[in-house]
Amino acid sequence: GAGVSQSPSNKVTEKGKDVELRCDPISGHTALYWYRQSLGQGLEFLIYFQGNSAPDKSGLPSDRFSAERTGGSVSTLTIQRTQQEDSAVYLCASSLGGDYWYGYTFGSGTRLTVV
Amino acid sequence: DAKTTQPPSMDCAEGRAANLPCNHSTISGNEYVYWYRQIHSQGPQYIIHGLKNNETNEMASLIITEDRKSSTLILPHATLRDTAVYYCIVRLPRGETSGSRLTFGEGTQLTVNP
Repeated sequence: GAGVSQSPSNKVTEKGKDVELRCDPISGHTALYWYRQSLGQGLEFLIYFQGNSAPDKSGLPSDRFSAERTGGSVSTLTIQRTQQEDSAVYLCASSLGGDYWYGYTFGSGTRLTVV
Repeated sequence: DAKTTQPPSMDCAEGRAANLPCNHSTISGNEYVYWYRQIHSQGPQYIIHGLKNNETNEMASLIITEDRKSSTLILPHATLRDTAVYYCIVRLPRGETSGSRLTFGEGTQLTVNP
């Protein structure tokens, strides 16, 4: 597609439920990143995929968070047993490669609200 | 990656130049300066980047001081649509870091007033 697509755009879930957030990167982009942004805060790095390399998971806040990227394209971020502090906008970005820093293209994000 | 310091907020009149400062006094010789902006409810958008020379593109100009300890992003004719949070980021270039992410600070909230 022309841009990075994220779905759903909004998600309200009950505390304790699991959620899946989807990211469809720009075709041909081998690098994919997940960030999250809490209300009024800066962006917090979560995880990075580059081609077939092992992902950099160093930003995941707890073992309730996981992500996978199938076929080097679509990625799914899963949050298990959601907590209220997980409420944030989850942003996905892709780029041609991990070294193309200026080539980050972000999606519009998924706004997650845990009630 | 070097730490950056930006003012939390700035105002600018529509049609005037917006000059957004960034301090990066601990920058190392091969670290680049990148600028992104985030318009409300959207993902961040790349603006410009540079190493030591001043840079200009269709969106903005980047002025980096000779000692590279600070820089200024210039929007020459600000419009209402330029209202956004502007992030200044310093990091190593290709192949010179084991890191893989851009670290976003708090940024500067620029408000362009009519």
